[in-house]
Formats: sequence, C-alpha cells, structure tokens
Amino acid sequence: GAGVSQSPSNKVTEKGKDVELRCDPISGHTALYWYRQSLGQGLEFLIYFQGNSAPDKSGLPSDRFSAERTGGSVSTLTIQRTQQEDSAVYLCASSSQAGGNSPLHFGNGTRLTVT
Amino acid sequence: AQTVTQSQPEMSVQEAETVTLSCTYDTSESDYYLFWYKQPPSRQMILVIRQEAYKQQNATENRFSVNFQKAAKSFSLKISDSQLGDAAMYFCAYRSSRNNLFFGTGTRLTVIP
Repeated sequence: GAGVSQSPSNKVTEKGKDVELRCDPISGHTALYWYRQSLGQGLEFLIYFQGNSAPDKSGLPSDRFSAERTGGSVSTLTIQRTQQEDSAVYLCASSSQAGGNSPLHFGNGTRLTVT
Repeated sequence: AQTVTQSQPEMSVQEAETVTLSCTYDTSESDYYLFWYKQPPSRQMILVIRQEAYKQQNATENRFSVNFQKAAKSFSLKISDSQLGDAAMYFCAYRSSRNNLFFGTGTRLTVIP
C-alpha cells in the first residue's frame, strides 16, 4: 500500500513568510510524528499525535511552530514568520499504534530553505 | 528526560566484514522499546531492527543483530557480512512510556569495497 506522503518535497521561502508542510500518513495509522533534521544532525522530536490530539508537543521550538491533525489523518505543520535557523528537513512518520514496538514509517521529508 | 547517545559519528568497514555500532541511553523507566533505523542518501528512514526491553533475548534480523545490555543501558548494532548497500546513517532510537520516540545523533557508516 501507499507509504507516508509529504508535500512539498522542497520549499524555498523568504525570511518572515509563513509556510505549511503537509503529511499524509499510512491509512489507518493512529499515531503521527513530526521530526526536524538539520544538515548532518540527528532527528529532533517536535510533536506527536494520537488521533487528532497531541499528547506531547514539548519539542516545538517556539510559538511560531504549530501543528494540527484533522480526521485522524492528514497533518499540517505550520511555521510562522520563518527564520533562517528553521532551514532543515522536516520528517513525518506514522505508526499503527502509539506505543509498543510498532515501528514508525517515515515519509521522504520536506526540505525547507529559508533565505 | 530520556537521552540517546551514539558516540561514533563515523565508522567504516571492509565489505564482507563485521562492524558494531554503539548506542547508550538514559532512562528511569523499566518498560520501553529500542530501535535501529537506517537512513541512506535517499533520506528515507528504514527500520532495521527493534528490541523490547522486557525481552532478554537479543533481536536478530538476517545479517543484523543487537547486543542489548539492560543494566548497562546499552543497545549496540552488529552488521555481519557488510555489503555496499549497508552504507548509510544509522540512528538508534528509544520509545518511552509516553510513546514518543527519541533518536540519537547518528553514525555514518562507510563500506569499503
């Protein structure tokens, strides 16, 4: 079946503009995660959803970052007033259940460049 | 807070040889899950192997196996008979009881023909 889909795959934006990143999880997956990966770095946890609610949003770097999930499916990560330090690859992943050993299935990410 | 440490930023291995990638973690929980993911240049994260903390037996998936030492909070990955396609970034990850997944900083593995 289809995997996790993220769009756009690449986004270039000017400093100060708002951007929206979209994630379509695998159908039926209840858990959805957002991570940020800066060049050559590890994955920084941002937020995770169980259904439409976000039990843990502790990783969001600032109040410029927000995320929502509707219908237990598609999620949007919004970054307002983008800064150059926001440049990174934003990875989305979904899992059939929130816990246990259920693996995360990742999308190919959105590479965000803030000029 | 849980932290995952990968102390080897880069490793290299000769094709067909064996290499071990290190991972340690810090937690006060007794029940958790550990994972190794691979990220080739394509950027796609791929699950390599997983381990439940309550299981004493080390997980094995074909050429990949782990050495899980719960008391030492260590979770190393052994790759046997290394192949050129194994070249990638490898990330160790810890899943907490709160169900979010924390990653280490990664180890870049180079396979030498």
